Amino acid sequence: EVQLVESGGGLVQPGGSLRLSCEASGFTFTTYYMSWVRQAPGKGLEWVANIRQDGIEKYYVDSVKGRFTISRDNAKNSLYLQLNSLRAEDTAVYYCARDGVPAACDYWGQGTLVTVSS
Amino acid sequence: QSALTQPASVSGSPGQSITISCTGTSSDVGGYNYVAWYQQHAGKAPKLMIFEVTNRPSGVPDRFSGSKSGNTASLTISGLRTEDEADYYCSSYTTSNTQLFGTGTKVTVL
Repeated sequence: EVQLVESGGGLVQPGGSLRLSCEASGFTFTTYYMSWVRQAPGKGLEWVANIRQDGIEKYYVDSVKGRFTISRDNAKNSLYLQLNSLRAEDTAVYYCARDGVPAACDYWGQGTLVTVSS
Repeated sequence: QSALTQPASVSGSPGQSITISCTGTSSDVGGYNYVAWYQQHAGKAPKLMIFEVTNRPSGVPDRFSGSKSGNTASLTISGLRTEDEADYYCSSYTTSNTQLFGTGTKVTVL
C-alpha cells in the first residue's frame, strides 16, 4: 500500500524557516518524480515544486523560487521541502504527492499545516 | 501564472449529469494532453480522478469522464450520486515544466 506521511509543519514567524519531510513507503521511491502541493485555508490547490528521480532536476512555482528548496534522499525514501523567508501568504497545508502518471499526482499524503504569523 | 478558470459551483440532482469546465491558454491546457482532475472532500487530501485528459486511474467509476477542446478541458459526472458532492480541481502541465491548478468547483448534489 502506498503511503506518504508528512511532518515538520508548525507555527513560524514571518521571515523564519521550516523544513518539511515526507516519508514514502509501499512503492519504489527511486522510480518516481515527487511533488509538493499546498492549500491555503479555505482556498484552492497550488502546485509548489517537483523533483526528478535522481534529485537533480527541480521545478518551482514562481512565488517560491529563491525561498523554497525541494530535495530528496532516496536511501531514506524521503522527500523534503526547505521553506525560508516565510511570509503570511505561505500559510497552508502542504501535501506531499507522487507523480505516478504523466503530469499528475496519483497518491497524496494527509498534509502538514504551516502557519506563518507573529 | 494565473490559475486555470473553473466555475465556482455546479449543482445537479441525483442521477443527472453535470459538466465542469476548465479554461486555460495555449501555454497549458491547449498545448498539451496533460490535463488532470482531482476530487477533494472536505478536510481530506485530493484524489486523482482523471489524467491525460481522458484516462481514469484504477478504481475510479466510469461515471467520471474527461475531454478537451482547444484551451478548455471538461469533466463530466454522469449518474450523479450524493458521494460525488465535493470540490473538484483541474490541473495542467505548462510550458514552464510546472503544473497549474484550476480555481476549483464546488459540486452540490441537490
